[in-house]
Amino acid sequence: DAKTTQPPSMDCAEGRAANLPCNHSTISGNEYVYWYRQIHSQGPQYIIHGLKNNETNEMASLIITEDRKSSTLILPHATLRDTAVYYCIVRVKAGGSYIPTFGRGTSLIVHP
Amino acid sequence: DAGVIQSPRHEVTEMGQEVTLRCKPISGHNSLFWYRQTMMRGLELLIYFNNNVPIDDSGMPEDRFSAKMPNASFSTLKIQPSEPRDSAVYFCASSFSQKSDEQFFGPGTRLTVL
Repeated sequence: DAKTTQPPSMDCAEGRAANLPCNHSTISGNEYVYWYRQIHSQGPQYIIHGLKNNETNEMASLIITEDRKSSTLILPHATLRDTAVYYCIVRVKAGGSYIPTFGRGTSLIVHP
Repeated sequence: DAGVIQSPRHEVTEMGQEVTLRCKPISGHNSLFWYRQTMMRGLELLIYFNNNVPIDDSGMPEDRFSAKMPNASFSTLKIQPSEPRDSAVYFCASSFSQKSDEQFFGPGTRLTVL
């Protein structure tokens, strides 16, 4: 199972882009990269996922390097409400279903 | 849709007592997951069901923990007897595995065992 490495914490000014890195050097060809976030006292929330192409949705953009060994989640205009723990997950296959395994994540603090 | 519903939201009990946590997944979802979150260990997968059948329970700590899913709209996680080290936030999540692996999490149950 591929593992991920993320910085334990980051900070960002409100209105600026937040770029959250993730290393997954042992990722295999059919494994996806998922991002979730967890706002204090709430359950984790899905943000975005991708295989090898860059992806964008209403919440964020996901940039995956060509060798797929790392990725970056981009929050283009961070707000105070984006303060949360962000988890980068490589999909783990177990028993025929794909189960995300959560690590420690990156604690992002958005300040005024 | 109301999302994943968990009850109770908070539970305080004494060591040795039985604790039952409940979860109602999103209608139409066929996969259900139980997680436990603590400061020390982070977010851990305990067990997951697919079409009401337990698929992987390797994360269940020990025999004191058991989980059931009698139908597609209800699941329970039971701890008997409870111990102080079981204190944690327990999350239930569901997904429609055939369409997407995006998991939808409930608000969690904060369990305190005294």
